[in-house]
Amino acid sequence: DVKVTQSSRYLVKRTGEKVFLECVQDMDHENMFWYRQDPGLGLRLIYFSYDVKMKEKGDIPEGYSVSREKKERFSLILESASTNQTSMYLCASSLAGRGYRPLHFGNGTRLTVT
Amino acid sequence: AQTVTQSQPEMSVQEAETVTLSCTYDTSENNYYLFWYKQPPSRQMILVIRQEAYKQQNATENRFSVNFQKAAKSFSLKISDSQLGDTAMYFCAFMKDQGAQKLVFGQGTRLTINP
Repeated sequence: DVKVTQSSRYLVKRTGEKVFLECVQDMDHENMFWYRQDPGLGLRLIYFSYDVKMKEKGDIPEGYSVSREKKERFSLILESASTNQTSMYLCASSLAGRGYRPLHFGNGTRLTVT
Repeated sequence: AQTVTQSQPEMSVQEAETVTLSCTYDTSENNYYLFWYKQPPSRQMILVIRQEAYKQQNATENRFSVNFQKAAKSFSLKISDSQLGDTAMYFCAFMKDQGAQKLVFGQGTRLTINP
């Protein structure tokens, strides 16, 4: 069974701190995604990676960057955390290829920036 | 760009009743997938049902079925004989057939099943 693990379930950081959210998958998936979930807005794509060192901006990349040095790990970086980045962050992974490939989600990191 | 709209922020029904969650979407694509995901308090995103746009037949999974109206760009989820364990956030989502498996989500509907 595919496992997508997010390193923290809850995280509290101060404004201006550099924050790393880590995501690891164990099934050799090429694609990895970071979503942000907010009430009334659903999930929105922040960044997407389709291979090691390859990344693509999603719908709301401002204030975020990502790193994918190894295939199994995809990190979301908040260079200088702000209160409007308080949210739930969900990581997902999938195999590459034509047609449908199921997405596998982690259990989310609830980040609070004070 | 694709958009997905869920116009019901919250719904509440009694156990064993049937409930229908609404979803509309906008796209210029002809081939795509539509999904309903369930997110219980554990936060785990669980795929409930998937519909391929090229299939006219509505997808069903046990107590869950969809009403897919391609021309109207409508994709509703019907839960029959609702159970307490169905209490969760439900998200409608869209994925293009081509390219990476990027999902576009609706705003979500919080469904509560009352005993």
